[in-house]
Amino acid sequence: GNSVTQMEGPVTLSEEAFLTINCTYTATGYPSLFWYVQYPGEGLQLLLKATKADDKGSNKGFEATYRKETTSFHLEKGSVQVSDSAVYFCALWGANNLFFGTGTRLTVIP
Amino acid sequence: SQTIHQWPATLVQPVGSPLSLECTVEGTSNPNLYWYRQAAGRGLQLLFYSVGIGQISSEVPQNLSASRPQDRQFILSSKKLLLSDSGFYLCAWQGMGGSSYNEQFFGPGTRLTVL
Repeated sequence: GNSVTQMEGPVTLSEEAFLTINCTYTATGYPSLFWYVQYPGEGLQLLLKATKADDKGSNKGFEATYRKETTSFHLEKGSVQVSDSAVYFCALWGANNLFFGTGTRLTVIP
Repeated sequence: SQTIHQWPATLVQPVGSPLSLECTVEGTSNPNLYWYRQAAGRGLQLLFYSVGIGQISSEVPQNLSASRPQDRQFILSSKKLLLSDSGFYLCAWQGMGGSSYNEQFFGPGTRLTVL
């Protein structure tokens, strides 16, 4: 079946620190992979996506590379800002639905 | 461009009362529509999805129901709310073609508190 496992958190970082949020998946075939971000009190927004192996999705300084050999799609950012504080969800597309991880709460302190 | 609306934004209801949450999409036709619930501190749970008017698929057994009376309208209902129905309810529509295929676009959500 399809499932996503992501680092639980919460994660607290100082401004300008390096961020990694781990995400691994189980799926049949070659699913598209996504990172969504949820800012406080809001709905989810698509942050980035990758549709095939070795693709790199990037947006707003965040990056994630689709690694088929390790079934992973880790989210990274070189220098986080206070405004990046949010909950981040990894997701995969399969069986005509999106399957989400449980989310990782990131807090960036000045 | 496409937009998705949800209302109300917040709702406080007593246990046993009915519920109706509405979601409408503009700027697209025949979208796939989804209802998710996010309980406090937890991830997203898919509740219902619909591929067309009157077509509803339920993912989890519960006291909630969904209806799609019009192409771009998706309603989440309950006859009698439970405390466990509290949460953040998100509606989403799915991109159907081009570069946005299999992406989902979310509404602003409704925060429901059942007391």
